Amino acid sequence: GAVVSQHPSRVICKSGTSVKIECRSLDFQATTMFWYRQFPKQSLMLMATSNEGSKATYEQGVEKDKFLINHASLTLSTLTVTSAHPEDSSFYICSASPLTSSPSGMYQETQYFGPGTRLLVL
Amino acid sequence: QKEVEQNSGPLSVPEGAIASLNCTYSDRGSQSFFWYRQYSGKSPELIMSIYSNGDKEDGRFTAQLNKASQYVSLLIRDSQPSDSATYLCAVKGTGGFKTIFGAGTRLFVKA
Repeated sequence: GAVVSQHPSRVICKSGTSVKIECRSLDFQATTMFWYRQFPKQSLMLMATSNEGSKATYEQGVEKDKFLINHASLTLSTLTVTSAHPEDSSFYICSASPLTSSPSGMYQETQYFGPGTRLLVL
Repeated sequence: QKEVEQNSGPLSVPEGAIASLNCTYSDRGSQSFFWYRQYSGKSPELIMSIYSNGDKEDGRFTAQLNKASQYVSLLIRDSQPSDSATYLCAVKGTGGFKTIFGAGTRLFVKA
């Protein structure tokens, strides 16, 4: 269980074009998904928290107009890199957390990662 | 001050040895702790989660948590070359849904 998929796994595009990346939770519902970016030999950098039915929460320094996030359903979040430039080339990874029940209610616990999308902007 | 700190390594151990990976965190109220493994060019995969003080064992992996010292560790027994990867420590703090990741420790197991 707790499988997260991403599509595409790899994309090459020309500078100035937009690229959409999909993140799906395959066997659970995720009210919250997370988008990360990772440059070679560097650590994960959280870009934004995607909330179903509401606006995403962006981390400091991440341009919301550049990286558009849509959380259309409980199993799908998309990240669109608009007007991509070579400096946007990176490994983009999403994650999602299944809801866990407890006596005090439902909460999200463990994050499971998608396989990632490698973006190369020429 | 970093919220989750790990030694970047690389940590090099011979095959069959015990690899010990350490992590400290700053949020004293943190309740959930995770270890992820990330192979080069791949996304992180969950190895262990731990919520209570003490040890938790799963196969060759043992997670150790000491909340008083704000310290969590991962031991890998009988290390194999296939264990060579970057190990990420992650801590879920008080409030909200955000999990804070350390920068990771690179482990190299020599055959």
